[in-house]
Amino acid sequence: NAGVTQTPKFRVLKTGQSMTLLCAQDMNHEYMYWYRQDPGMGLRLIHYSVGEGTTAKGEVPDGYNVSRLKKQNFLLGLESAAPSQTSVYFCASSYGGGALHTQYFGPGTRLTVL
Amino acid sequence: GENVEQHPSTLSVQEGDSAVIKCTYSDSASNYFPWYKQELGKRPQLIIDIRSNVGEKKDQRIAVTLNKTAKHFSLHITETQPEDSAVYFCAASGPRQAGTALIFGKGTTLSVSS
Repeated sequence: NAGVTQTPKFRVLKTGQSMTLLCAQDMNHEYMYWYRQDPGMGLRLIHYSVGEGTTAKGEVPDGYNVSRLKKQNFLLGLESAAPSQTSVYFCASSYGGGALHTQYFGPGTRLTVL
Repeated sequence: GENVEQHPSTLSVQEGDSAVIKCTYSDSASNYFPWYKQELGKRPQLIIDIRSNVGEKKDQRIAVTLNKTAKHFSLHITETQPEDSAVYFCAASGPRQAGTALIFGKGTTLSVSS
């Protein structure tokens, strides 16, 4: 049982390049989330999904797109990377929403945009 | 939307002392308050949580208290040890949060010196 995994662990992009971050979970969780973590800012929600085939915007969605084609996977895309997107990206998942269900985090992806 | 304030931003204690981190939240509908510990370069990991129908919860050296009237909650660590050194994040969630996602405080860096 691997829990929540993320690919890649590190990536360096040039401004304007595109990439996709992959999050996978093997806990049969319905809810999945993408957060970004910046120094002194805590974690902020980018996009989330409450089930296969559904996605919605979070607090800081601009410049990102997501897809949830399979229940176990949640992809985060950057179409045209900008230096402001340099951050550590964490995926999380939970069995359901609300106070009954703990969110479990992946190991993170450190992205640098030059 | 929900806003979570966390204090202090840094906290230094001697081994064996107690440490207290405080958070306030703005949305009276929030009903779930987890605390995460993040060691350097690692993912956030849940250490304790409390739900709005409970005023206090303990787990060995860690306790969390919740004051719904004042809209604040606190993490208490007793008999601190060097391995408690990490960044601690409080968070809040409730039915008015998009996807019932967690809204995080900005974190407290706890340093325990021996």
